[in-house]
Amino acid sequence: DIVMTQSPDSLAVSLGEGATINCKSSQSVLYSSDNKNYLAWYQQKPGQPPKLLIYWASTRESGVPDRFSGSGSGTDFTLTISSLQAEDVAVYYCQQYYTTPRTFGQGTKVEI
Amino acid sequence: QITLKESGPTLVKPTQTLTLTCTFSGFSLSTGGVGLGWIRQPPGKALEWLALIYWDDDKRYSPSLKNRLTLTKDASKNQVVLTMTNMDPVDTATYYCAHMDSDGQGSETGDGAFDMWGQGTMVTVSS
Repeated sequence: DIVMTQSPDSLAVSLGEGATINCKSSQSVLYSSDNKNYLAWYQQKPGQPPKLLIYWASTRESGVPDRFSGSGSGTDFTLTISSLQAEDVAVYYCQQYYTTPRTFGQGTKVEI
Repeated sequence: QITLKESGPTLVKPTQTLTLTCTFSGFSLSTGGVGLGWIRQPPGKALEWLALIYWDDDKRYSPSLKNRLTLTKDASKNQVVLTMTNMDPVDTATYYCAHMDSDGQGSETGDGAFDMWGQGTMVTVSS
């Protein structure tokens, strides 16, 4: 199995400040034939299902605010929230869909 | 508009078999590139991927649970059923189904991220 490790486990950010979440995979999730990183980011607010924010490591899902951005390639990835809003308080998960099982990170809790 | 809804028992006894149904609308599981996955989340814990059925009826299961999981689809009812045998208290979790459209995401491999999720159904395993 590909192990996904996120850091930090939690972070507290002031409103309007930036937040950075890291995700490291135990093996590359870059598929050579299409040069795509099979890596997604999800946001989960309390009592709600996860919501897709980013796929292909850096492609923002339709309707997702542009303060959310994804970067990285191979085994190291980052989700950045450029200016934290109150509604961004949530747990964020990375997930690889390069191979089965499609493993998730342990989650990073973002608080204000 | 894509919607998904999970249904099934809220309480099962240890050793029993759990049967969960995902009823969906707004897409066809026969359309190329489309898939439906199951993911669970124990209370206060992380997400765990369980299984995925593709448009061509290919099925993938979590290796750690493979012997206990079965996916079936009923295209006429727009439903996918997940059965999990020999339930244990550690299987207590919220179970989600989720939609995948790999073609819509520009995938060349038939794999993509889960872009829509059901609200989930909480299942407690207890005697």
